[in-house]
Amino acid sequence: AQKVTQAQTEISVVEKEDVTLDCVYETRDTTYYLFWYKQPPSGELVFLIRRNSFDEQNEISGRYSWNFQKSTSSFNFTITASQVVDSAVYFCALSAKGNYQLIWGAGTKLIIKP
Amino acid sequence: NAGVTQTPKFQVLKTGQSMTLQCAQDMNHEYMSWYRQDPGMGLRLIHYSVGAGITDQGEVPNGYNVSRSTTEDFPLRLLSAAPSQTSVYFCASRSRPRGNQPQHFGDGTRLSIL
Repeated sequence: AQKVTQAQTEISVVEKEDVTLDCVYETRDTTYYLFWYKQPPSGELVFLIRRNSFDEQNEISGRYSWNFQKSTSSFNFTITASQVVDSAVYFCALSAKGNYQLIWGAGTKLIIKP
Repeated sequence: NAGVTQTPKFQVLKTGQSMTLQCAQDMNHEYMSWYRQDPGMGLRLIHYSVGAGITDQGEVPNGYNVSRSTTEDFPLRLLSAAPSQTSVYFCASRSRPRGNQPQHFGDGTRLSIL
């Protein structure tokens, strides 16, 4: 069975702090894909990043970075120097190769206070 | 650049009423899906389609019906609305049924059943 756990229900930090959102996944498949999506207060779902299971390189995009560790089945997301506009619910999701379905975590609500 | 279009954005129904949520995409994507989003539960898959004329059930299909007569359209029907179906509904599409492509989401339909 596949599962995605985002243990942090809500995180609140002050602007300019760094914050890490945790994502732990379970799958028996050897080839799989991990995703992060952002849902701002306006409600739409915005794709942020996709990572393949065979590519463990970390990725950085501006203030965003992702740390993929197969040894701990984790795909954590860090925002450096957070801004109020980063306030949103962030979802981690998993899809196995050959599978139609995307398995979602429950989401982490991130609140950035000015 | 329409992408995935959902209508209506908001709807209030009475228990027992039926209605259809519309979803259309203009990207010629093979895969389309419907999710519901409830507080603290992430997104749950209702039904999906891997091409015109082909549909299948997801995690929570009861009380919903779908059809896919064209590549572009994937309507979701509530047969007899129940208060438990109060939720936010998202339609999504992806270029291929399987694989690592991210899903593109509509803006959602907020549905309340009284």
